[in-house]
Amino acid sequence: GENVEQHPSTLSVQEGDSAVIKCTYSDSASNYFPWYKQELGKRPQLIIDIRSNVGEKKDQRIAVTLNKTAKHFSLHITETQPEDSAVYFCAAKGGGNKLTFGTGTQLKVEL
Amino acid sequence: GAVVSQHPSRVICKSGTSVKIECRSLDFQATTMFWYRQFPKQSLMLMATSNEGSKATYEQGVEKDKFLINHASLTLSTLTVTSAHPEDSSFYICSAAQAGGELFFGEGSRLTVL
Repeated sequence: GENVEQHPSTLSVQEGDSAVIKCTYSDSASNYFPWYKQELGKRPQLIIDIRSNVGEKKDQRIAVTLNKTAKHFSLHITETQPEDSAVYFCAAKGGGNKLTFGTGTQLKVEL
Repeated sequence: GAVVSQHPSRVICKSGTSVKIECRSLDFQATTMFWYRQFPKQSLMLMATSNEGSKATYEQGVEKDKFLINHASLTLSTLTVTSAHPEDSSFYICSAAQAGGELFFGEGSRLTVL
C-alpha cells in the first residue's frame, strides 16, 4: 500500500518568515495530494490540494509543489502568522479514494 | 463545501460496554465513507472503508468484530466499538467523498473508556 513520509515533525518559525513542509510517497499511481491543517481537538481542514497533472498550485500565502518523478510534494507558507500555528498533514490518494496521511508537522509561529 | 456531521462529539463509557458513533453526509450522497482513528499527537490512521449496501473493508490489524461498521443508507455510516477497553480511547473521525474526490471530514468523536 501507499506510504507517506513527512518532514519535519516540528517546525518553529518567526512571524513573517516562510515555512516549508515536505512529503514523499511510495505509490506512483497516487494522483491526488491534499494538505490539511488540524487544530487541537478539531477535524482536519483542507487548505490546498494538487492533482498529479499539475506541478504547482498557489492560493494566497499557501503554495504546493509536486514532483511526480521523485514522488515528493511540498507545502510552502509565506508571511506566516500566529494563527498558522497548528498541525499540518500531507496525504496521498490512490485507487478507491483511500487517503494515506503523513505523520504530521507541528508548526509554531512565534511572535 | 459539503457537510459531514458526526455524533456524538464526546463520549465516556465504562470498560466492557459498546459505543456507537454516527457519521452523516448532510447535503450529498456518499456511497463510500471512511473511518479514521487518531491517537494523541499522532496521525490519522485509516481503520476501514464503509461501503453502502455491502460489507466494510478493514485495514490490516483492525479487528472487524470489535469495530462494527454499518452503512445502511447513502447518508449514514455507523461505527460501533464493542466491548470497549481503555486502549480504545481515541479520537475517531469519519470522512465522505463527493464525486471528484475531495474528502470532507466529520467533527470527530472523542471516546474515553474508563
